[in-house]
Amino acid sequence: DSGVTQTPKHLITATGQRVTLRCSPRSGDLSVYWYQQSLDQGLQFLIHYYNGEERAKGNILERFSAQQFPDLHSELNLSSLELGDSALYFCASSVKGGVNTGELFFGEGSRLTVL
Amino acid sequence: GESVGLHLPTLSVQEGDNSIINCAYSNSASDYFIWYKQESGKGPQFIIDIRSNMDKRQGQRVTVLLNKTVKHLSLQIAATQPGDSAVYFCAESHSLYSSASKIIFGSGTRLSIRP
Repeated sequence: DSGVTQTPKHLITATGQRVTLRCSPRSGDLSVYWYQQSLDQGLQFLIHYYNGEERAKGNILERFSAQQFPDLHSELNLSSLELGDSALYFCASSVKGGVNTGELFFGEGSRLTVL
Repeated sequence: GESVGLHLPTLSVQEGDNSIINCAYSNSASDYFIWYKQESGKGPQFIIDIRSNMDKRQGQRVTVLLNKTVKHLSLQIAATQPGDSAVYFCAESHSLYSSASKIIFGSGTRLSIRP
C-alpha cells in the first residue's frame, strides 16, 4: 500500500459528460502529480501541484483541469468527455517534509470508460 | 520536445538469468532518472534512481547504468525471478530541485519470465 488513495476506482460515463477524480496523497506529502495511461501505453504527464500551487503542466487538454486543496488532496476534472479520454488516471505524491527525492508514490488509479 | 523512449516493447528472459532493459532519452538537460515497475492492475512502484553526476548505482538485485554521452540508461536485474514479471518504465526529470518538476515517463518494456 503506497498510502495514496484514489477514488473512484472505476467510472463509466457517456460522451459529453463531466467527471471528477479525487486523490488523497500520502500523509505529509506536498506534491501531487497526475498521469494518464491509455491501454498498453506509457504514463502521460498531465500536471503537478506543490502545496496548493500549480507547478508544471504537461500535455493536458483544455477540457481537463485540476486543483490541490489546502488539505493537500487533489481533484482532476475532465469535461466534455470523448471516447479517447478512456484511460487509467494515476495520481502520485511525493516531497514529504519539503524534501524532493523524486520518488513518486502512486495510487492504484481511476479507470475511466467513456461510452 | 521531451521524450523518453524504450528500445524494446517486450523482453522474455529465462528464470535465473539476468535481464537488461534499455532506455533512451532526448533531453540533454535531464539530470535525474528513475526506474519504475508496474505490475498488472497496480500503480507504478519506484525501483531505483540515479542522478546525472553518477554513471552507476546499485540496489538489491538491480543496477542502473547511465551514459550521458549517448543519452542512454539501462536497468539490470540479476537472477530474474517470476515476481519480476511486470512493465518497466524509465522516467526523467530536469528540474527536480525546483519543486516545479515534471517527471516524464517512457513507453515501457514488458518483462516476461520463462520457467
